Amino acid sequence: AQTVTQSQPEMSVQEAETVTLSCTYDTSENNYYLFWYKQPPSRQMILVIRQEAYKQQNATENRFSVNFQKAAKSFSLKISDSQLGDTAMYFCAFLSRGSEKLVFGKGTKLTVNP
Amino acid sequence: GAGVSQSPRYKVAKRGQDVALRCDPISGHVSLFWYQQALGQGPEFLTYFQNEAQLDKSGLPSDRFFAERPEGSVSTLKIQRTQQEDSAVYLCASSPLLDYGTQYFGPGTRLLVL
Repeated sequence: AQTVTQSQPEMSVQEAETVTLSCTYDTSENNYYLFWYKQPPSRQMILVIRQEAYKQQNATENRFSVNFQKAAKSFSLKISDSQLGDTAMYFCAFLSRGSEKLVFGKGTKLTVNP
Repeated sequence: GAGVSQSPRYKVAKRGQDVALRCDPISGHVSLFWYQQALGQGPEFLTYFQNEAQLDKSGLPSDRFFAERPEGSVSTLKIQRTQQEDSAVYLCASSPLLDYGTQYFGPGTRLLVL
């Protein structure tokens, strides 16, 4: 069974600075997808960014980018120019190709300070 | 357009009561998912529908949990004889077919069993 580990329960960053959230996963599969989801306080969870394992190029979405290290089974999220609205729980998630079952980590609570 | 909606948003039940949680997915979304999110944890998969067919119910914790989606749209998660350990947020998500892992989440139903 796949597992996803987020080793940082809480992090904080100053507005406009850069922060990196860590995620590692365990799988014996070769084809899969990785995701970062954001859950703001009292608001719905939304997808931030996704990465297909077969793609070597790291995914980027505006201020959000990932560092995908397949051999190390590591998938970190970098948030540049942090904004107050980035304050949220961030969940790393894994999906096997051919499956529909997302496996989530326990989350990292990120606080952006003014 | 309208997102995923869930009702009720909050539910308090006495131990032993039956509860029914409703999910209205995004119109046209084929896939529908239910997750259970305990306090301070990531969401855990419960079950998955493709249209009206329940393709995976491996995450349902016991036979007290039952989900249905009879017309391939609205879904209901029913919990019979609720126990205190059932207290959690129940998240519903929907997805277009074959959009691997990109799920659109509802606001959740917070269930408290006393």
